Amino acid sequence: AQKITQTQPGMFVQEKEAVTLDCTYDTSDQSYGLFWYKQPSSGEMIFLIYQGSYDEQNATEGRYSLNFQKARKSANLVISASQLGDSAMYFCAMREGWGNQFYFGTGTSLTVIP
Amino acid sequence: DVKVTQSSRYLVKRTGEKVFLECVQDMDHENMFWYRQDPGLGLRLIYFSYDVKMKEKGDIPEGYSVSREKKERFSLILESASTNQTSMYLCASSRSGLAGDGNEQFFGPGTRLTVL
Repeated sequence: AQKITQTQPGMFVQEKEAVTLDCTYDTSDQSYGLFWYKQPSSGEMIFLIYQGSYDEQNATEGRYSLNFQKARKSANLVISASQLGDSAMYFCAMREGWGNQFYFGTGTSLTVIP
Repeated sequence: DVKVTQSSRYLVKRTGEKVFLECVQDMDHENMFWYRQDPGLGLRLIYFSYDVKMKEKGDIPEGYSVSREKKERFSLILESASTNQTSMYLCASSRSGLAGDGNEQFFGPGTRLTVL
């Protein structure tokens, strides 16, 4: 079974609107971490936001927030007030327990329309 | 400013050549990783290392080897490059610890390798 599933290969959003990128995960560990990365066309992977399994509050970083629903095993990224510079690939990832390996989804390509 | 650097942004090699991709991190991280990225397939783990001289196979280790002689440096070696190894290669590093405590991966800028 896939550890991380991103079901939206491509998304479009109007500039200044909010957009939600979906991510579901599969783990039996009690301690795990969920991460979102942005990859612009230049190729570098930029860390955006992190949510720990024990965190009771949804993580927020500026215009990014993580909608963490533990029972549903989902960790959706919400980008508010989209900007043209938000056009990029977005990857959801997870690490489990004491393991060092990160598991990545296949990514969602976001295009912001002026 | 913390950094992961990779030796080349673009590399063109011929089939059968031995190729070395170098990665250096300055954050004193225990873990280092090599991924390859192909359109529609996301990031696939080739190898990772959790300590000097230690390595673990990832999902697609065939055709690759790695070396970690110093904590800050992790090398990916293509013993005999083939055209199907044309790809984007990403190096990353992270601190060890419990997953629920954070410790995200930091990535290098990537190397676009073309094998002719």
